[in-house]
Amino acid sequence: AQSVTQPDIHITVSEGASLELRCNYSYGATPYLFWYVQSPGQGLQLLLKYFSGDTLVQGIKGFEAEFKRSQSSFNLRKPSVHWSDAAEYFCAVGANRDDKIIFGKGTRLHILP
Amino acid sequence: DVKVTQSSRYLVKRTGEKVFLECVQDMDHENMFWYRQDPGLGLRLIYFSYDVKMKEKGDIPEGYSVSREKKERFSLILESASTNQTSMYLCASSSSTPTDTQYFGPGTRLTVL
Repeated sequence: AQSVTQPDIHITVSEGASLELRCNYSYGATPYLFWYVQSPGQGLQLLLKYFSGDTLVQGIKGFEAEFKRSQSSFNLRKPSVHWSDAAEYFCAVGANRDDKIIFGKGTRLHILP
Repeated sequence: DVKVTQSSRYLVKRTGEKVFLECVQDMDHENMFWYRQDPGLGLRLIYFSYDVKMKEKGDIPEGYSVSREKKERFSLILESASTNQTSMYLCASSSSTPTDTQYFGPGTRLTVL
């Protein structure tokens, strides 16, 4: 069965600094990979997803993620964070297009002014 | 604009009560989901439905049941609420497969006393 690990529970960065959130998955084939964001008091919103093709995926709000098969990783990046990026970020994986997706435990991002 | 609504933002119930959580989507989506979100555990799938009157168990179905009599509405039922069901409950929907973008409601924070 597939699984997803987000090694960092909390991350703190200064406003304007770059960001990388880590995500590792466990699955043999190429999975469906997602990053969702949950702002305080809100439901989750999709940032980006990867199924196939170009391994660098662009998403909303200036985020991108890179699929690295050799490292079983799908890390989320942003070159310069804004205070409004403070939220909880969830990586998720699905084995195939018809399978349920499994969410990681989340990484809470804190932004220093 | 896409919308998933949940009947209550906050709910307080007593142990042993029957609890209904309602979710409505206005996007004509085939799939609907109920997740439970707990600190440090991320999102865990309780049940999902891929069509009217169709349902499948997720990872933690014990103590819960669901009902989908109409395409737009998916109900989560706690037959006899217990304190360990105190949690945030999130409803989501997706167009035709679970790996399509899932759209989330704002959540219902349930407290069982």
